[in-house]
Amino acid sequence: EAGVAQSPRYKIIEKRQSVAFWCNPISGHATLYWYQQILGQGPKLLIQFQNNGVVDDSQLPKDRFSAERLKGVDSTLKIQPAKLEDSAVYLCASSSTGTGAGGNQPQHFGDGTRLSIL
Amino acid sequence: AQSVAQPEDQVNVAEGNPLTVKCTYSVSGNPYLFWYVQYPNRGLQFLLKYITGDNLVKGSYGFEAEFNKSQTSFHLKKPSALVSDSALYFCAVRDRDTGRRALTFGSGTRLQVQP
Repeated sequence: EAGVAQSPRYKIIEKRQSVAFWCNPISGHATLYWYQQILGQGPKLLIQFQNNGVVDDSQLPKDRFSAERLKGVDSTLKIQPAKLEDSAVYLCASSSTGTGAGGNQPQHFGDGTRLSIL
Repeated sequence: AQSVAQPEDQVNVAEGNPLTVKCTYSVSGNPYLFWYVQYPNRGLQFLLKYITGDNLVKGSYGFEAEFNKSQTSFHLKKPSALVSDSALYFCAVRDRDTGRRALTFGSGTRLQVQP
């Protein structure tokens, strides 16, 4: 099966500019996640979608970050305006909906977008 | 709240020797536990998971992990390390008794296998 696709792979912008990332999950996966991975740290969840509805966005800095998942498939994550501390790798992951709460299904990750803020 | 600790930033082991990467967790209920591996400039790859049942879980590439509820640990092990196992390893937990579905990841352990 095709994996999770992300683009672009690398992005360099200046602070206060805007940027958008795109993710195409594995076909049929209802759950989609965006993570931020700062150098030397583990991934931190930004937002989780179930189909096209938001399940968890408690750690999303909503004053500058936004995300959408139209039609329950592809998703975009936007930062506007960017700050220096947003320099990180942004990972998209997807999982199928398992039994019960669905939390025991492994997440499949894309290769990420490395964002550098100058 | 849920959390994961990986106490070692780096583990060094000689090829052919057994390896252990340590992980301890904290949840208020019962855990789902996962191990992922990350190679340079790549996303995370799933290795194995503990849901319930047998405390010894076998996963991809010859890795296994042992769930120990009394010590709240889920250490990753492999009987014989390969140079190609050198990578960054992440432990993750989710409390299966709460409504929140997000995984919490540890800070990662870099495994270096010397030839």
